[in-house]
Amino acid sequence: AQKITQTQPGMFVQEKEAVTLDCTYDTSDQSYGLFWYKQPSSGEMIFLIYQGSYDEQNATEGRYSLNFQKARKSANLVISASQLGDSAMYFCAMRDPSGGSYIPTFGRGTSLIVHP
Amino acid sequence: DAGVIQSPRHEVTEMGQEVTLRCKPISGHNSLFWYRQTMMRGLELLIYFNNNVPIDDSGMPEDRFSAKMPNASFSTLKIQPSEPRDSAVYFCASSLGAGGPVDTQYFGPGTRLTVL
Repeated sequence: AQKITQTQPGMFVQEKEAVTLDCTYDTSDQSYGLFWYKQPSSGEMIFLIYQGSYDEQNATEGRYSLNFQKARKSANLVISASQLGDSAMYFCAMRDPSGGSYIPTFGRGTSLIVHP
Repeated sequence: DAGVIQSPRHEVTEMGQEVTLRCKPISGHNSLFWYRQTMMRGLELLIYFNNNVPIDDSGMPEDRFSAKMPNASFSTLKIQPSEPRDSAVYFCASSLGAGGPVDTQYFGPGTRLTVL
């Protein structure tokens, strides 16, 4: 079974608008971490934002925020005021203690294209 | 501060040849991960070291792949013999702690391997 599901293979947004990238996860553990990474066309994986399962506040980092809905097991990334440089692949990831080692699991990614 | 360093950045080789990919994690990080990324399979975890000890190598495709971490500042991923289906981008990542849910991975720039 997929532990991380990103249902949107591709998203388009107008420059300066906000966009939400969906991520749902599957774990039976109480302690876990959720991460978002950006992969531009140049190929590197850039860490964006982290949310812990016990964090009561949604994480924010500049224009990025994580809409964490624990009961629904969703961890959507919200990018406000999109910029052309936000065009990239975005990956949602989770670390949970399945197997005892907090092995990271990544989703298949969402391609975001920002139009001028 | 230097990030994760990988070499080479690009490697083109012929089927049957030995390939060695190298990684220097961020200084002070105790965990190191090797990933493979392809269009078909997405981002796959190959092996995970903690304090230089392999913790999980269940993602290593087959005996042709081997990974070592002789010290805290260096790791290698070796493919012998290489095959065209090994063509992919190989990422190394490191993280600070012992691998709990809050442990953020930081990725290197990747090595793009092409096996002809």
